[in-house]
Amino acid sequence: EDQVTQSPEALRLQEGESSSLNCSYTVSGLRGLFWYRQDPGKGPEFLFTLYSAGEEKEKERLKATLTKKESFLHITAPKPEDSATYLCAVQAVRGDMRFGAGTRLTVKP
Amino acid sequence: DTEVTQTPKHLVMGMTNKKSLKCEQHMGHRAMYWYKQKAKKPPELMFVYSYEKLSINESVPSRFSPECPNSSLLNLHLHALQPEDSALYLCASSHRGQGIQEKLFFGSGTQLSVL
Repeated sequence: EDQVTQSPEALRLQEGESSSLNCSYTVSGLRGLFWYRQDPGKGPEFLFTLYSAGEEKEKERLKATLTKKESFLHITAPKPEDSATYLCAVQAVRGDMRFGAGTRLTVKP
Repeated sequence: DTEVTQTPKHLVMGMTNKKSLKCEQHMGHRAMYWYKQKAKKPPELMFVYSYEKLSINESVPSRFSPECPNSSLLNLHLHALQPEDSALYLCASSHRGQGIQEKLFFGSGTQLSVL
C-alpha cells in the first residue's frame, strides 16, 4: 500500500535558523512528488513538483530535493511568515494524490 | 482567474438536515476533487471527477453524494451526517485530468460542523 510519512510532526525555529523537513514514501510507480504549504483554515497552496531522483527545485528560501525513497524541504534563514504546515504528497500510477500528515513549522522572531 | 471558489465558508447542520457544498473554477480545468481534512490530519481523497465523469470514489458513505453539473462546477450533497463528519471539506482542480502529473489548485474549504 502507498505510504507517505513526514517528520518531524512539528518544528520550532528561531528566525534565521535553517533546517530541513523530511518526507519518506513507498509507492508503486511514482509519477510525481509534490510539496504544498497550508495556512490554518485554508486550502493547501502548491510549492513544488519533483519527478525523478536527483531533481531539485528552489523558490525563495525553500529548496526541495528528491531521492528514490525520500524528499527534503530545506528552509534557509526562515522568517516568521514561513510559519505554516508543509504537506508532502505523492502521485502514484493510479493518478490520485496521497498526502502525508504534514510538518507544522513555527518560526519565532 | 486562478481561483477555486468554495461556498459556504462555514456550515453548521443537524444530523437530519440536507445541505450542499459548492465549488467553482473558471480555469478550464478538466478534473475536480473533493477532499476531507480533520484537524492536524492530511487531506483525504473522497471523490474525483475527470471530464465530468466520476472516476474515483474512495468508498465514501452514501450520506455524501457528489455531483458535477458541468466542467466548472462541483457539488457535494450532504444528508443525515454524523458528528464525526465534522471537518474541513476541500475542493481542488487540475488542468488536464486525473492521472496526469499535475499540481492541484485548492479552494479555501468549507468548515463543516455537525451537531
